[in-house]
Amino acid sequence: RKEVEQDPGPFNVPEGATVAFNCTYSNSASQSFFWYRQDCRKEPKLLMSVYSSGNEDGRFTAQLNRASQYISLLIRDSKLSDSATYLCVAYTGGGNKLTFGTGTQLKVEL
Amino acid sequence: GAGVSQSPRYKVAKRGQDVALRCDPISGHVSLFWYQQALGQGPEFLTYFQNEAQLDKSGLPSDRFFAERPEGSVSTLKIQRTQQEDSAVYLCASSKEGRGFGNTIYFGEGSWLTVV
Repeated sequence: RKEVEQDPGPFNVPEGATVAFNCTYSNSASQSFFWYRQDCRKEPKLLMSVYSSGNEDGRFTAQLNRASQYISLLIRDSKLSDSATYLCVAYTGGGNKLTFGTGTQLKVEL
Repeated sequence: GAGVSQSPRYKVAKRGQDVALRCDPISGHVSLFWYQQALGQGPEFLTYFQNEAQLDKSGLPSDRFFAERPEGSVSTLKIQRTQQEDSAVYLCASSKEGRGFGNTIYFGEGSWLTVV
């Protein structure tokens, strides 16, 4: 079982739709969590950090539930430019490394 | 440039050939990481340097993989006797922090290795 698990998708949604991605992690020592975005043939880039209190950045909302070891990302009013792979990431301080999920592919269509 | 620079961007190697992948981190960045990303997968940790010290190499898949950062800046990832399963994108990342905290780490565009 992978330490960080995501539904690989693809999620095909119409422009303007709301879409939610879920992620679970198994290492209870993980301290911090992030969502990264990766465009085709490009490097991963930080989208946003994830806090237990929730974190909102424009159309994007991220949430962490430590008790359930569950992370979510909500994208409202999807744009064509949101099409990408979204990577759920856990940071373990002791190992000083990021553990990535396999990524969830999103395709926003006209 | 201002970002993490990797070379070569694309490499085709014959099975059994040795390859060397170079990473130029952002100037002044203390931490340097190598990740391997296979097709359809997320990046997987290979190794971590703080300045010239390799503090963690637990992710290197075999003794054919070797990384160095002798002067605490440029790093090289070497793969000896390449195998087809080594085909992947090799991502380098750097951070000015002594830790690879997820919101202070910057990735290069990667070196795409195909072993034939």
